Amino acid sequence: NAGVTQTPKFQVLKTGQSMTLQCAQDMNHNSMYWYRQDPGMGLRLIYYSASEGTTDKGEVPNGYNVSRLNKREFSLRLESAAPSQTSVYFCASTEPGIYSYGYTFGSGTRLTVV
Amino acid sequence: SQQGEEDPQALSIQEGENATMNCSYKTSINNLQWYRQNSGRGLVHLILIRSNEREKHSGRLRVTLDTSKKSSSLLITASRAADTASYFCAIHGSSNTGKLIFGQGTTLQVKP
Repeated sequence: NAGVTQTPKFQVLKTGQSMTLQCAQDMNHNSMYWYRQDPGMGLRLIYYSASEGTTDKGEVPNGYNVSRLNKREFSLRLESAAPSQTSVYFCASTEPGIYSYGYTFGSGTRLTVV
Repeated sequence: SQQGEEDPQALSIQEGENATMNCSYKTSINNLQWYRQNSGRGLVHLILIRSNEREKHSGRLRVTLDTSKKSSSLLITASRAADTASYFCAIHGSSNTGKLIFGQGTTLQVKP
């Protein structure tokens, strides 16, 4: 089925460990996004890639890095995980512009940092 | 901030009743979108309304947009237990990046 695929679905890290969250979309969208969602809150934008070859910071980029590997894939890396990064992470994609019809979201990665 | 602020934070109704959720924002927008999130799942896009539109329908959903008041509302008619979820408005500002800023959401419970 067409959509956004995130891996892994669950992960437990120790403080200081690193990991990469993977995201791939098969809808030929130009723009991709990483959000985090904390309990009782909306989504906060971490990083985004408006088009292949570009990345920009969102509201909460500290402690994260991203790579837009190609048009399909956009990864999020935690270099040294901290308990404050315990959250659910969502990747999304869209085709921006006047004909935009909204985001397609992945099912999320639930990350716990102990 | 462009963040949408939603009201109410929580809403509990009986099956068959209508549910109304409101979203206010602070800056000019390109469009405003509504999403649903079932517990433990990703968000699902419901409807997009552009800044030059005033009302849009999709099935049992009706969205209005008042750019002079910088507000939008989502109406779900004849609610069902399956409508139980969190609903988020998201603001697309004037940039061409497609970037969305989400509100904190309204949690809707529909009792059978």
